[in-house]
Amino acid sequence: QKEVEQNSGPLSVPEGAIASLNCTYSDRVSQSFFWYRQYSGKSPELIMSIYSNGDKEDGRFTAQLNKASQYVSLLIRDSQPSDSATYLCAANQGGKLIFGQGTELSVKP
Amino acid sequence: DGGITQSPKYLFRKEGQNVTLSCEQNLNHDAMYWYRQDPGQGLRLIYYSQIVNDFQKGDIAEGYSVSREKKESFPLTVTSAQKNPTAFYLCASSPDRFNQPQHFGDGTRLSIL
Repeated sequence: QKEVEQNSGPLSVPEGAIASLNCTYSDRVSQSFFWYRQYSGKSPELIMSIYSNGDKEDGRFTAQLNKASQYVSLLIRDSQPSDSATYLCAANQGGKLIFGQGTELSVKP
Repeated sequence: DGGITQSPKYLFRKEGQNVTLSCEQNLNHDAMYWYRQDPGQGLRLIYYSQIVNDFQKGDIAEGYSVSREKKESFPLTVTSAQKNPTAFYLCASSPDRFNQPQHFGDGTRLSIL
């Protein structure tokens, strides 16, 4: 099976900094990519979808997609302690979402 | 409010017992999915369904069964053949399975007594 890879972390950033989360995928035919946030003990929550190369911004979140490099990233500006969670990257492959293992983010006050 | 409802929130299974996890959605979504999440792990696909009366095995279907008799409902049965059922089970739905994001219910935690 094609894979989605993420650094498991934990990634620790100070409050107000930019958090950068990275994801690579192996299936070149993947067309859509998603970032989910999962708080401890809770279900994943969709925060960003991206379908074409380049950047997509939504509030403090920016998703970046580079299909040639098979790379997706999520930037969180002005990080807040409430952003502390696990972030899951997912790629649509043949109608199924393939999830990475998630990156744990910790934002220190 | 539209959404995905999973029940129960917590479930305990005895040895040799089958248990059924409920998933209901009122989003009018065609596609529904079941995932399993183990501690510190990503999500693994158990079964998915694109339309009523049709479903396909995911990556870890052994020991599980599903049905899709109604568009709104996609129950998952964890059978006694599943020897390691302790996990967090997540149901999701999407408008269709092509490039649309999935939205999740609140999950069911299953443990062995």
